[in-house]
Amino acid sequence: DGGITQSPKYLFRKEGQNVTLSCEQNLNHDAMYWYRQDPGQGLRLIYYSQIVNDFQKGDIAEGYSVSREKKESFPLTVTSAQKNPTAFYLCASSIRGGRAEAFFGQGTRLTVV
Amino acid sequence: QKEVEQDPGPLSVPEGAIVSLNCTYSNSAFQYFMWYRQYSRKGPELLMYTYSSGNKEDGRFTAQVDKSSKYISLFIRDSQPSDSATYLCAMTYASGGSYIPTFGRGTSLIVHP
Repeated sequence: DGGITQSPKYLFRKEGQNVTLSCEQNLNHDAMYWYRQDPGQGLRLIYYSQIVNDFQKGDIAEGYSVSREKKESFPLTVTSAQKNPTAFYLCASSIRGGRAEAFFGQGTRLTVV
Repeated sequence: QKEVEQDPGPLSVPEGAIVSLNCTYSNSAFQYFMWYRQYSRKGPELLMYTYSSGNKEDGRFTAQVDKSSKYISLFIRDSQPSDSATYLCAMTYASGGSYIPTFGRGTSLIVHP
């Protein structure tokens, strides 16, 4: 089955700790995205990547970092510089250009303890 | 003003009602329009995708786009309790070869038996 897999489903972070959220897709999509979802605020774009070894900041990139070493993988690191990391994180992918609907993973719920 | 405006609700309707969900947008460059359904603590699921102005129907769902008014709608006929979810509108446009989905805040729909 083709799809997007996010792991873990739940993640707990201590103050001052970096954590990495995994996102893997087997849809052969070039573009991948990370969104953050907070209650009542919809989806806000953190980073996106259109091709391997290239990525761009979204609207709320501060305190986050990404890499895109493989087409299938787009991990997100939440660094200690992110002051309010508790949120629901969603990874998505799409083809490049033209028909560009995005398909989502099931999300990772990150909580600071 | 956000680029995409969507009333967060909640919208509560009886089973069997026709539901109307709406979004307005300010950027006339938006070309592609999508509706997603998101159940609690899950990733959004693509429901409808439209490109041009007019209507598109899929089963109980109809997506409507009015580019002249910068207004899109999703109609759900014969609503069921299983339709209770948050509905997100999204739209994209071409910017340097990239199509980045921009989302509304989502409308919470409750269909009661």
